Amino acid sequence: NAGVTQTPKFQVLKTGQSMTLQCAQDMNHNSMYWYRQDPGMGLRLIYYSASEGTTDKGEVPNGYNVSRLNKREFSLRLESAAPSQTSVYFCASRRQDTYEQYFGPGTRLTVT
Amino acid sequence: QKEVEQNSGPLSVPEGAIASLNCTYSDRGSQSFFWYRQYSGKSPELIMSIYSNGDKEDGRFTAQLNKASQYVSLLIRDSQPSDSATYLCAVNEFSGGYNKLIFGAGTRLAVHP
Repeated sequence: NAGVTQTPKFQVLKTGQSMTLQCAQDMNHNSMYWYRQDPGMGLRLIYYSASEGTTDKGEVPNGYNVSRLNKREFSLRLESAAPSQTSVYFCASRRQDTYEQYFGPGTRLTVT
Repeated sequence: QKEVEQNSGPLSVPEGAIASLNCTYSDRGSQSFFWYRQYSGKSPELIMSIYSNGDKEDGRFTAQLNKASQYVSLLIRDSQPSDSATYLCAVNEFSGGYNKLIFGAGTRLAVHP
């Protein structure tokens, strides 16, 4: 099992460009999450999906959109990147019975 | 939003000592608690889960939970330089019909030879 995978690992964007971060899990989990992590700020929830076909906003959703394509895949889109979106982005999925979350390797995004 | 508080550290301990990491949380209704380890430049890795008051041991790690005091801790026995990392405390919150983890900002642990 690969667990949670994310692509790309690194990305540099110019202000105003768009991009999609991809996430997939092979653990048959219903719930998936997108976080960003900034120095001194900890992990902050951007969006989550409790199940296929449902998504909801987390703590810091502005400037982002998500798609839960199927049970395995949950993508995060930046429509018009801003320097404030420079961060490390993590995708996670959750076990139904224990609430444990498992994280992907992350995407380091720099917006210039 | 409910809060999870951790001392940011760094907590510096000598090799072979016991490292004690602490976390307090604000939601008295929380039932599920987790410790993650995060090496620099890597993603968080789940190392312990605890759901009941008392101690839970797994190898060199012991998680302790006291719901009355809203306090959860992680003890690392026989600390090794490879344990040097940031440790994140997380608490499950159910709100808006969904389960979410609320993370503390993390405690940086440095184990020196």
